[in-house]
Amino acid sequence: GENVEQHPSTLSVQEGDSAVIKCTYSDSASNYFPWYKQELGKGPQLIIDIRSNVGEKKDQRIAVTLNKTAKHFSLHITETQPEDSAVYFCAAANDYKLSFGAGTTVTVRA
Amino acid sequence: EAGVAQSPRYKIIEKRQSVAFWCNPISGHATLYWYQQILGQGPKLLIQFQNNGVVDDSQLPKDRFSAERLKGVDSTLKIQPAKLEDSAVYLCASSLGPNSNQPQHFGDGTRLSIL
Repeated sequence: GENVEQHPSTLSVQEGDSAVIKCTYSDSASNYFPWYKQELGKGPQLIIDIRSNVGEKKDQRIAVTLNKTAKHFSLHITETQPEDSAVYFCAAANDYKLSFGAGTTVTVRA
Repeated sequence: EAGVAQSPRYKIIEKRQSVAFWCNPISGHATLYWYQQILGQGPKLLIQFQNNGVVDDSQLPKDRFSAERLKGVDSTLKIQPAKLEDSAVYLCASSLGPNSNQPQHFGDGTRLSIL
């Protein structure tokens, strides 16, 4: 099955700086790559996703890039704010089944 | 649009007892998923329903876990008997359809503690 590795496991950034989280996947047939944000006591919330026919996607301060050849994808958050503090999960899917990374705890320091 | 509803939010039981969780998906979502999220890990799929039929239950420990979605809307997940390693958050998600063209939306989960 699919194996998704996510790095780093924790990330501390100064408010206003950028944060980058990287993931790799094993199944070359995976074609859908969502990113979820999970706040304490809440369920994962979809923040952005990218499909295998697209190399980059941006939504305001959040961007995701995909390198199918290398089988890795990344989340970029610019101009970080305190409300960006949360656990972020990457995932990869072949058709419907999502396989998640282990998560990155992002802390934005004021 | 109302999100995925789950209850209860918290449950504490002793090992070998039974427990049930309930999920109401987003209106109109034909596909429903149950995930297990152990502390410090990403969610792991337990079972997927398309309407009231099972699409994938390959990761469901069928000797103790069961799930149903009788009328193609609400779903229940049951554990009987519970083991210590079942302590986790149980998340329900739903999507319009079964494939990756339809993003999955999660509820806030039920946090289960086994004593």
